[in-house]
Amino acid sequence: GNSVTQMEGPVTLSEEAFLTINCTYTATGYPSLFWYVQYPGEGLQLLLKATKADDKGSNKGFEATYRKETTSFHLEKGSVQVSDSAVYFCALSDQTDKLIFGTGTRLQVFP
Amino acid sequence: NAGVMQNPRHLVRRRGQEARLRCSPMKGHSHVYWYRQLPEEGLKFMVYLQKENIIDESGMPKERFSAEFPKEGPSILRIQQVVRGDSAAYFCASSPTGREEYGYTFGSGTRLTVV
Repeated sequence: GNSVTQMEGPVTLSEEAFLTINCTYTATGYPSLFWYVQYPGEGLQLLLKATKADDKGSNKGFEATYRKETTSFHLEKGSVQVSDSAVYFCALSDQTDKLIFGTGTRLQVFP
Repeated sequence: NAGVMQNPRHLVRRRGQEARLRCSPMKGHSHVYWYRQLPEEGLKFMVYLQKENIIDESGMPKERFSAEFPKEGPSILRIQQVVRGDSAAYFCASSPTGREEYGYTFGSGTRLTVV
């Protein structure tokens, strides 16, 4: 069945460091791919998405490229801030439009 | 334009009691999804509803759990005879069309603790 695998956390970085959070997926067909962010005590917010191969989603300095050949959708940011500290979830939307989430990666950014 | 409203934010129940979680979708949204987040895990789909209809309940436990989305009022997720393993965060999302390409909006969740 469809699934999402993302790197375990926590990921601990200093402010202005480069961020990569790996995400790979298994799916039939051509799913849409998403990154959601969850700040402490809050619900999920859509960070970015890509709906077809080679699309790049971007928002707030974050980017991710839909790579069909490697079934990946890695999240990157060139310079993280303390305010980026949160849990990041990779997800795919299957044929029934349900979202299938990875287990989440906690990012901690220190000044 | 208020977002997806969930209440209560926190709910404590003793084992054997009933838990009722409410979700008011965004204005104009008629599709509601419930997800459960167990500690240190991702969100797992539970049920998808439209007004007065259950569209997909493939993620719902077979017993004790039920959901409704009446013509008037919020969507309700009901857990009867709660057990410790039901302790989790329950999130509701709404959509105008039921397709992700148009976006889901998530609420802030209800954190259920069973003692």
